[in-house]
Amino acid sequence: AQKITQTQPGMFVQEKEAVTLDCTYDTSDQSYGLFWYKQPSSGEMIFLIYQGSYDEQNATEGRYSLNFQKARKSANLVISASQLGDSAMYFCAMRDNRGSTLGRLYFGRGTQLTVWP
Amino acid sequence: SQTIHQWPATLVQPVGSPLSLECTVEGTSNPNLYWYRQAAGRGLQLLFYSVGIGQISSEVPQNLSASRPQDRQFILSSKKLLLSDSGFYLCAWSSYNSPLHFGNGTRLTVT
Repeated sequence: AQKITQTQPGMFVQEKEAVTLDCTYDTSDQSYGLFWYKQPSSGEMIFLIYQGSYDEQNATEGRYSLNFQKARKSANLVISASQLGDSAMYFCAMRDNRGSTLGRLYFGRGTQLTVWP
Repeated sequence: SQTIHQWPATLVQPVGSPLSLECTVEGTSNPNLYWYRQAAGRGLQLLFYSVGIGQISSEVPQNLSASRPQDRQFILSSKKLLLSDSGFYLCAWSSYNSPLHFGNGTRLTVT
């Protein structure tokens, strides 16, 4: 069974500081993808960053980076230089590449990030 | 570029009434399509996904159903809504190597 665990229901960070949101996953597959999404209060799901299981380099997208530790099965999101607009719910997700469930994402329960001035 | 449209944005329906939520994708062909539900303060639960016209896979037993009458159209339906059907419904699409791209969601309140 696939499983995504986000152990931090809520996180607080001061503006301009960096913050790490934790995510661990459980899979017996060798080929999989890891994603982070941001959900502001308006509800839309915004794709942030992707890491493939065979990627040797940690993914980076602007202020977002993914700290991928394959042996530990963790895929933590690091947000540098936090901004007030980063306040939102953040979801970690995993996609397996098995034929029967090709492309579906398994989501964690999310971490509510609050950035304060 | 690809876009996904989902409507309506909000909906208030009485218990026992029917439901139809529609989702369309533009700018891509043969996408994988998904319906997710998010209960208040919780994560996303996959309800249905489709890899092609007329091909629907259901993840959880419920009184909801889904249909894909056209390649880029995905419909979520119910004949009789329950109170427990209230939630935030998100349609999404992907291709094999792309992330899931979500619509703006529908907030459904069953009264």
